[in-house]
Amino acid sequence: DAGVIQSPRHEVTEMGQEVTLRCKPISGHDYLFWYRQTMMRGLELLIYFNNNVPIDDSGMPEDRFSAKMPNASFSTLKIQPSEPRDSAVYFCASSPSLAGGTKPQHFGDGTRLSIL
Amino acid sequence: EDQVTQSPEALRLQEGESSSLNCSYTVSGLRGLFWYRQDPGKGPEFLFTLYSAGEEKEKERLKATLTKKESFLHITAPKPEDSATYLCAVQSPYRDDKIIFGKGTRLHILP
Repeated sequence: DAGVIQSPRHEVTEMGQEVTLRCKPISGHDYLFWYRQTMMRGLELLIYFNNNVPIDDSGMPEDRFSAKMPNASFSTLKIQPSEPRDSAVYFCASSPSLAGGTKPQHFGDGTRLSIL
Repeated sequence: EDQVTQSPEALRLQEGESSSLNCSYTVSGLRGLFWYRQDPGKGPEFLFTLYSAGEEKEKERLKATLTKKESFLHITAPKPEDSATYLCAVQSPYRDDKIIFGKGTRLHILP
């Protein structure tokens, strides 16, 4: 079975440029999550969707960050304009419905973002 | 404030030397506690879910246990391929079921 697929795996760009990260969740999963990982802060939840609808974006650091999920098989995380402090590894994860009990999240291999 | 604290931050063991990793948590109601393994350049990989105090789960050389305040990941006779970062996370129904991760323990097994 295909897991969560993220692209690109690496992105290097200059400050001020727009960055778009992409994610394809596991088919049939109702939830999609975007995380950011740094050495200092660990894994931080940015936003999550349920059935393509954004539920909680309280982790989005500021208005420069936006996320969309136009359909059940695709999501994007956009940073515009990008800043050096946005450099991190960004992970997408998906999970089945929580109905019937808690379900673990399945992670992609991340996008390593470097803003120069 | 809900939080997850893992210790130690890093651990170096000789092959075959058993040890335990700790995850202390403070959360308003626990729906589940998760353990994940993360290899360099990869996303976290799910290992276990624990639901209530006293519960134990095993997988090969790993055993996870849970009390009301902490969880342990016991590693018995580890091998070099067990080297990874181990992440603990908790899920609470009072936080809209969002998962809170600890910063992890970097485990290095020397051959």
